[in-house]
Amino acid sequence: DTEVTQTPKHLVMGMTNKKSLKCEQHMGHRAMYWYKQKAKKPPELMFVYSYEKLSINESVPSRFSPECPNSSLLNLHLHALQPEDSALYLCASKTAPGGETQYFGPGTRLLVL
Amino acid sequence: GEDVEQSLFLSVREGDSSVINCTYTDSSSTYLYWYKQEPGAGLQLLTYIFSNMDMKQDQRLTVLLNKKDKHLSLRIADTQTGDSAIYFCAESGGRRGSQGNLIFGKGTKLSVKP
Repeated sequence: DTEVTQTPKHLVMGMTNKKSLKCEQHMGHRAMYWYKQKAKKPPELMFVYSYEKLSINESVPSRFSPECPNSSLLNLHLHALQPEDSALYLCASKTAPGGETQYFGPGTRLLVL
Repeated sequence: GEDVEQSLFLSVREGDSSVINCTYTDSSSTYLYWYKQEPGAGLQLLTYIFSNMDMKQDQRLTVLLNKKDKHLSLRIADTQTGDSAIYFCAESGGRRGSQGNLIFGKGTKLSVKP
């Protein structure tokens, strides 16, 4: 099983809303990642969790708040977003930071009105 | 220049071979990857190669790595219309990918004409 699941698939939110994106994997992977992808662009790294600890924050605005409650679950809490934050948010996981293969979830398509 | 570069477009006829090229700058990269993304979808891992290998074959896919020139290519044999997608080259394990995060090229849009 090489599945990474993400919920919801689509999300529309206003600039004053608070919402959360969820990512789950049951492969025993200990490195998990959030990427943001704008249309016709490659994914850009936002956060890396390594063994449930935040190891990279790519200067992401504080309106994005990641959380890793356990080794299988990764959340991204959203608050006071801007329309330019509309994008595809991709979660990925790897056995460990030095592991070979990184598997992606299907993504959450976010629209901020 | 960019850490990972690839041409933006490639058009081939159905049944022909496609070759997508990629260059990267970080000689300490550990793994190099090819991902496929269809419209509206996430990223599908196609194949990857360890930096001390020079070739890997997997069914219709052949990856060639020239570590000296930092050049990676993906050959798709007998290209089908279902292969139409954006193909991303990526590296990890180097200076910017030290936590296993991927550094992507801009993607090559492959169009397959029937």
